Amino acid sequence: EVQLVESGGGLVQPGGSLRLSCAASGFTFSSYAMSWVRQAPGKGLEWVSAISGSGGSTYYADSVKGRFTISRDNSKNTLYLQMNSLRAEDTAVYYCAKDRTDHRIQLWFDYWGQGTLVTVSS
Amino acid sequence: EIVLTQSPATLSLSPGERATLSCRASQSVSSYLAWYQQKPGQAPRLLIYDASNRATGIPARFSGSGSGTDFTLTISSLEPEDFAVYYCQQRSNWPPTFGPGTKVDIK
Repeated sequence: EVQLVESGGGLVQPGGSLRLSCAASGFTFSSYAMSWVRQAPGKGLEWVSAISGSGGSTYYADSVKGRFTISRDNSKNTLYLQMNSLRAEDTAVYYCAKDRTDHRIQLWFDYWGQGTLVTVSS
Repeated sequence: EIVLTQSPATLSLSPGERATLSCRASQSVSSYLAWYQQKPGQAPRLLIYDASNRATGIPARFSGSGSGTDFTLTISSLEPEDFAVYYCQQRSNWPPTFGPGTKVDIK
């Protein structure tokens, strides 16, 4: 059974940093691209970042480029999102999501974690 | 960035009725469109990808159609568990984008 479990969310002041983690199990983690998708309270979904299975290719939304860094440790089956220079508008539930296919970045998300809430406020 | 527009914003229907949800793209996305269902407090669930392919385990009452800029998600006969918010998503161009959602609620 595929499981994705996020952690690391919390309350942080504007300008602060936070690192999210997503522990994966039930599939060959290194074979699949992974993404972070966020949802502001009461709002819709916004794709944030993606990383290839090997970790060699990374992609970012313009809204986070230069501030967020996606990475993965395939030996630990874990995905990360390092978030720096946080702003109030980054407040959201952050989901990690698995790509549906294992041979390229496809960006159809067939499994999602339960999400972790990041609140940026003074 | 490709903008997706969904209509209607809210659809009020009764169990057993047919639901037709629309998603329109600001430019052609070919068939690179997916549909997700989200219930309160839960993560989204992939229903349809590549415009018309049902994801694993999705009931046959869910179907998708369309190409280019106009897409439709049809739920042939609403079950009580189908009342939720539905989002479309494109992956034709970077960045992948989502529509604002259609809420299907009980009439």
